[in-house]
Amino acid sequence: KNQVEQSPQSLIILEGKNCTLQCNYTVSPFSNLRWYKQDTGRGPVSLTIMTFSENTKSNGRYTATLDADTKQSSLHITASQLSDSASYICVVSAGSSASKIIFGSGTRLSIRP
Amino acid sequence: DAGVIQSPRHEVTEMGQEVTLRCKPISGHDYLFWYRQTMMRGLELLIYFNNNVPIDDSGMPEDRFSAKMPNASFSTLKIQPSEPRDSAVYFCASSRASGSYTGELFFGEGSRLTVL
Repeated sequence: KNQVEQSPQSLIILEGKNCTLQCNYTVSPFSNLRWYKQDTGRGPVSLTIMTFSENTKSNGRYTATLDADTKQSSLHITASQLSDSASYICVVSAGSSASKIIFGSGTRLSIRP
Repeated sequence: DAGVIQSPRHEVTEMGQEVTLRCKPISGHDYLFWYRQTMMRGLELLIYFNNNVPIDDSGMPEDRFSAKMPNASFSTLKIQPSEPRDSAVYFCASSRASGSYTGELFFGEGSRLTVL
């Protein structure tokens, strides 16, 4: 069964600190993995996409990693800001079907001043 | 560029009433998705269209739900009759395919539905 599991469920850190969010997936065949950021009351927005051959990709203070062998991805946030408070959702696409887009349950990140 | 536009943003209705949610996708996108988000179940795919044709509606909960896409710039999700368990945030998303499907989903702001 295709599944995406994220940890932790929630996280509170102080402004300026770094954090890492985890995503484990059992999806086959793997197509790509995206991290989305969802602000409260808004729709999710894509932060980064990882394909099978990519290990690391950065988008400003966000750095995503992918280990295709262990089927794990992480999202590292550097020097957190209050605006980083949001839910972060790991999304894995299986094969070429648009219906095989598997969503994780998300990590709720809160940044405290 | 305008993003995905959904209306209404908030809807409060009584059980048994009909609810219609609307979506205008990004121009040029050939995929349109309807998702439902709840705290318990996260984001769930209800139905998606490709070039205005429904492709997979296996996520539609029951016959009370129906979706249409009469043209490339408009889609509706209808619930009739509504029930309290339908309370959720409904998202519309659009995407543009490139070869095999790997497209980024562009979400609207969502329609928060409360059924009393």
